Amino acid sequence: DIQMTQSPSSLSASVGDRVTITCRASQSIAYYLNWYQHKPGKAPKLLIFGASGLQSGVPSRFSGSGYGTDFTLTISSLQPEDFATYYCQQSYSTPRVTFGQGTRLDIK
Amino acid sequence: QVQLVESGGGLVTPGGSLRLSCAASGFTFSDYYMSWIRQAPGKGLEWVSYITSDSTVYYADSVKGRFTISRDNTRSSVYLQMNSLRADDMAVYYCARDSAVAGARFDLWGQGTLVTVSS
Repeated sequence: DIQMTQSPSSLSASVGDRVTITCRASQSIAYYLNWYQHKPGKAPKLLIFGASGLQSGVPSRFSGSGYGTDFTLTISSLQPEDFATYYCQQSYSTPRVTFGQGTRLDIK
Repeated sequence: QVQLVESGGGLVTPGGSLRLSCAASGFTFSDYYMSWIRQAPGKGLEWVSYITSDSTVYYADSVKGRFTISRDNTRSSVYLQMNSLRADDMAVYYCARDSAVAGARFDLWGQGTLVTVSS
C-alpha cells in the first residue's frame, strides 16, 4: 500500500494567517493527489484534485501544489469557516486509495 | 438536489451483521463508480470498498471476505453488507461518489451512518 504522511498533525492559527499543510507519499504518485476538508458531523468536502485543480465552488484562497512524492495545501488567508481537519488522499493506486492521517487546524 | 443519504447503521454485537444503504439523488447514478469510506472514533479516513458502474468490486484487506458491496442502478443505491463484525469495524461509514475518469476523486459524500460494535 502507498502510505501518506501529513505534517503537521495539528496546527493552531489565526484568522487572516497563511497556512501550509504538507503531504508526503511513500512512493511517486505523479499528480494523483486530492485534498479534503472535514468538519465534525459533516460530510468531507473535496477541495483540490489532481494536486492543483480547484474543485468547483471552493474559494480561491485554497491552492495545492506538488508532484511525485511531496505535496502542499495552502490557505492564503484563513477564514473562520476554515477551521477543520484536512486530509490528503492518493488516487494513484485507484481503487485502493489511501488517506493521510489528517491535519487538525484550530483557532489560536 | 444532488445528494447521498446513508442509512442502516446501529448497534451490533461482535460477530453480528449489518447492511448499510446509500441512496443517491439528483444525478445519473449509473454513470458513477461508488465507494464506502469509514472513520473510526478519533481516527482518520479509511477506504473500505469500491464498485464500478458495471459492478466490479474491490475491498480493503481489513474487510475482504466479511463485507460485500453491491449496487442497484434501478434504485440509485449502493449497499454494504457487513458480516462477522469486529470491534475495530466500529466507525462512521460514508458513501462517496467517484467523479474522475482516472484516479478516484470523491466529489460527493453522504453525512455518514454510525456503526457501533459492542457486546
